[in-house]
Amino acid sequence: SQQGEEDPQALSIQEGENATMNCSYKTSINNLQWYRQNSGRGLVHLILIRSNEREKHSGRLRVTLDTSKKSSSLLITASRAADTASYFCATDYTGANSKLTFGKGITLSVRP
Amino acid sequence: EAQVTQNPRYLITVTGKKLTVTCSQNMNHEYMSWYRQDPGLGLRQIYYSMNVEVTDKGDVPEGYKVSRKEKRNFPLILESPSPNQTSLYFCASSPQSLGRTYGYTFGSGTRLTVV
Repeated sequence: SQQGEEDPQALSIQEGENATMNCSYKTSINNLQWYRQNSGRGLVHLILIRSNEREKHSGRLRVTLDTSKKSSSLLITASRAADTASYFCATDYTGANSKLTFGKGITLSVRP
Repeated sequence: EAQVTQNPRYLITVTGKKLTVTCSQNMNHEYMSWYRQDPGLGLRQIYYSMNVEVTDKGDVPEGYKVSRKEKRNFPLILESPSPNQTSLYFCASSPQSLGRTYGYTFGSGTRLTVV
């Protein structure tokens, strides 16, 4: 499977702490994207990083990409209870013209 | 408001009874896709459409049909639903294939139960 794999599967932290989530993938990509899903709801696009970029920021989110290690990380700084959700990485594989491939997701719980 | 609208939100049906889940987007997006989400399996693509009248199979197309007669609508059709199609379904759209600039916009989901 070319599916990206997130790590850890579940993460529980205290409000105010930083949350780091990782994603590994298998073949060359055009870009990698992170999405958030609140329980049972639709996925929301958070950030996209291209294969020629190494780091990107959006508000409290910081994404890094290491194409040599085929991995990405999502850092949420100063977490809030409202950040409680599942987070997915999605990869746009080189040569895959039709779809993003989603990982199975990371469940983040932020305790008040 | 820019959005992808799916209906219905919840549906319980019986085996073999044809059903349609509608999907409509108001962003003039060319690309639309259907995914199903199952515990432990993540999101899997069912069908996608690069543009009007252009559709193709994703990873798990068996038991499903789609059509793209207009740019805004992309209905998912289950001709003869079976219990293994019980799942959470999402429609997504993007200005172009793979959301290479903006990512995908997802609908709120349709939770389907086939008994």
